[in-house]
Amino acid sequence: EAGVTQSPTHLIKTRGQQATLRCSPISGHTSVYWYQQALGLGLQFLLWYDEGEERNRGNFPPRFSGRQFPNYSSELNVNALELEDSALYLCASSLRDGYEQYFGPGTRLTVT
Amino acid sequence: GEDVEQSLFLSVREGDSSVINCTYTDSSSTYLYWYKQEPGAGLQLLTYIFSNMDMKQDQRLTVLLNKKDKHLSLRIADTQTGDSAIYFCAAGGYQKVTFGTGTKLQVIP
Repeated sequence: EAGVTQSPTHLIKTRGQQATLRCSPISGHTSVYWYQQALGLGLQFLLWYDEGEERNRGNFPPRFSGRQFPNYSSELNVNALELEDSALYLCASSLRDGYEQYFGPGTRLTVT
Repeated sequence: GEDVEQSLFLSVREGDSSVINCTYTDSSSTYLYWYKQEPGAGLQLLTYIFSNMDMKQDQRLTVLLNKKDKHLSLRIADTQTGDSAIYFCAAGGYQKVTFGTGTKLQVIP
C-alpha cells in the first residue's frame, strides 16, 4: 500500500513569491493535515481538511491557505513568502474518524 | 490549548534502555502518541495509548501513562544505533493533535 506522498521534495522561492505544496493521502483516507516544522520549533499544526472542507486551523496568518480535492489530495498555498516561512512542511492523512495520522516525507521550503 | 513538553536531548549507550519523557496539559486528551523522525524523513507512528490505559508494550517499546500527573514515557529496551532519531510525543484526539518539540536520542556504540 502506498504511503502519503508529497511534492516537490524541495522548493526554493524568493521573499514575496507564492509557494504551492501538494499531498496525496493514503488510499481510503479522507482527512489531510498540514504541519510546519521549523528548525528548533517542533511541529506546528497548520490546517486540517476532511471531505473537501477545512475543519480546523492552527495559529497561522491567512496567507497560509489550502484546499482538498474530490480525490482527497490536498494543496497548501503560502502567499507573500517571508524568510521565516522556511521550514519542512509535513502532510499527514488519516481515516475520517481515525486517531492515527500517517506522515509523508515532507517538502523542504527555502525562502531566500 | 494543549501544551506538550519534552526534554530536547538524550544520550545512551548501545544495549542500554532509553527512557524518553513527556508531559501534557490537557487532561481530556484521548490519545497519546509517540512518533519517530529519522534525518531527512517524515514522522513514523511508533505506538499510541488510549487515555484509559496505564501501559502498552510492543516488542522493545513500552509506553507508560500517568494520568494523574499527565506524564507519558517511552522506554526502548536494548537500544540500537538504528534507534538514533528524534522522538515526538503528541496528545489529542481525532480533531487535533498537539506535538511536543521532540527529543533527540543519540545512541553511542
